[in-house]
Amino acid sequence: EDKVVQSPLSLVVHEGDTVTLNCSYEVTNFRSLLWYKQEKKAPTFLFMLTSSGIEKKSGRLSSILDKKELFSILNITATQTGDSAVYLCAVEALKAGNMLTFGGGTRLMVKP
Amino acid sequence: DTEVTQTPKHLVMGMTNKKSLKCEQHMGHRAMYWYKQKAKKPPELMFVYSYEKLSINESVPSRFSPECPNSSLLNLHLHALQPEDSALYLCASSQGHLSVEKLFFGSGTQLSVL
Repeated sequence: EDKVVQSPLSLVVHEGDTVTLNCSYEVTNFRSLLWYKQEKKAPTFLFMLTSSGIEKKSGRLSSILDKKELFSILNITATQTGDSAVYLCAVEALKAGNMLTFGGGTRLMVKP
Repeated sequence: DTEVTQTPKHLVMGMTNKKSLKCEQHMGHRAMYWYKQKAKKPPELMFVYSYEKLSINESVPSRFSPECPNSSLLNLHLHALQPEDSALYLCASSQGHLSVEKLFFGSGTQLSVL
């Protein structure tokens, strides 16, 4: 059975801190790993990673994938209160359909 | 237009009611999805429609009945639900069905079953 595990479950930091969120996975026929940010309702797409060692960057957020060790990290530098959200990692596997297996999420709270 | 629109945003229904959730996208996406998300849990896939045909049904009880009238619309018909069905129901769409694509999620319908 495919499995995606995120850590930590929750995290409280102060504005300006840097955080690293972790996502490890065990899936058969891996295709891609995606990161989403879920604030209130709709998860919003952050990154899609398919190749090892290539960092994807968007502003203060960056992410990298290690396909040998089967994990990804999401870094947020100079955190702001608006970064407070649940961060979801999902892995796509080559199956009969575009199916994602989601991790349990990391709940990040950034205090002023 | 890069939005997936879901209505209603909130729904309260009794166990004997029949209701429908609606989802719409105008991005030309050919795959549409229903997810169920309980509080503090990740989304769980319920159904996948590809080119308006049901391609995946993740062993969802028959009291949930999906319908895809056309490539832009996706409905979820609800009948005889149980209180444990209370959850956030998220619709999503993607460009293709089998390729590596990112999902666009709607804001969800928060459903409470009394």
